[in-house]
Parts: sequence; structure tokens; C-alpha cells
Amino acid sequence: GNSVTQMEGPVTLSEEAFLTINCTYTATGYPSLFWYVQYPGEGLQLLLKATKADDKGSNKGFEATYRKETTSFHLEKGSVQVSDSAVYFCASYSGNTPLVFGKGTRLSVIA
Amino acid sequence: DTAVSQTPKYLVTQMGNDKSIKCEQNLGHDTMYWYKQDSKKFLKIMFSYNNKELIINETVPNRFSPKSPDKAHLNLHINSLELGDSAVYFCASSQDRVKGGYTFGSGTRLTVV
Repeated sequence: GNSVTQMEGPVTLSEEAFLTINCTYTATGYPSLFWYVQYPGEGLQLLLKATKADDKGSNKGFEATYRKETTSFHLEKGSVQVSDSAVYFCASYSGNTPLVFGKGTRLSVIA
Repeated sequence: DTAVSQTPKYLVTQMGNDKSIKCEQNLGHDTMYWYKQDSKKFLKIMFSYNNKELIINETVPNRFSPKSPDKAHLNLHINSLELGDSAVYFCASSQDRVKGGYTFGSGTRLTVV
């Protein structure tokens, strides 16, 4: 079945630092890949997605590229802000299986 | 208009009680889900319904019973609540067979005391 592994947090960065959160997947076939964000006390929001190899998803300064050769979908942002503090979830979806999530990575950005 | 709405947002109850959480979506989606998020933030699928039919039932105690009166609603009833049921429960919906993202509700924080 599908599974997603992402780096464990917490990750603490200073404002304007570069962010990378690693995510790798295992799946039968070619899954669609997603990053969701959960701000404190809120539900999950879709941040970005990619549905095929070499696709790049981007939103709010975040980017992730679907790499089939390394089965990865790492999340990056060039300059983080305090408002980016949240829990980030990598997820995959394939065929008729439900969305499968990684364990989440908590990001704290300090001014 | 909230796309996926859950009620209540918070629920505190005693062990052994029976409680329900309601979920409604106004997106016209065909598929709805219940996820459980534990204290370590891990999200696990519980149930999935497509057009009122149960299509996924993960290893969940039979004290949990989902009910879908129509494709816009998926309620979760829990009997004989236990301490370990304390978690945040998220409802979500998606358009079936479309490789898009799910839309999540804002969650119901259940605390069993």
C-alpha cells in the first residue's frame, strides 16, 4: 500500500531562513502528492500538490517537485516568516485508496 | 459559507457515554471521510463513504459507527467512550476519482474524562 515518510520535527528557524522539509513516498503506480498545512487550532489546508513526475507545486512561496527517481516531494521555502509556523504534512493519493499522511513536521519560526 | 463544517468543535464527556459528531459539506463532492488525529498529530483514516455507501472501514472498534443520510452528510457516532478515544476528529470530502486535494473541516476535539 501507499505510505509517506517525512522528517521528524520540530524544526526551529529564524525569520528569513531557508526551509526544507523532506518527504519520501512508497506507492504502487504513480501517486498524486500533496503538502497540507495545519495552523494552531485549525484544520488542514491544502498548500500545494503535484500529480505527475517532474511537476512542481507552488503556493505562498513554498515549492515542492515530484521526483520519481528518488520518490521524493521535499517542501522548500526560500525565506520563512513567523506566520509560517505550523505543522506540515506530506500526503499521497493513488487510485481508490484514501489520502495517506506522513506524521507531520512542526515548524517554529522565531523573529 | 463553510465548505466542510463539523459540530461540535469541542466535546468533553465522561467515559462510557455515547456521543455524535456531525459533518456537512456544501461542495457537491461524492466522497466523505473521517480521520483521527492523535496527540502526536498523526492522522489516520477511519472511514470513507462514496455517495452514502461505505467504501473504507479501517481497523476501528465497532463502537464507532458512521452514518451517511445523504452524500452531503457524514456523521460519526461513538458508543461507550473510552479514554483512548480522546483525539481530534476531522471530516473531509473530495470529488471522487479526481486527483485533487481533500477539503477538511476544522476538526472536533474530543476529550474523554
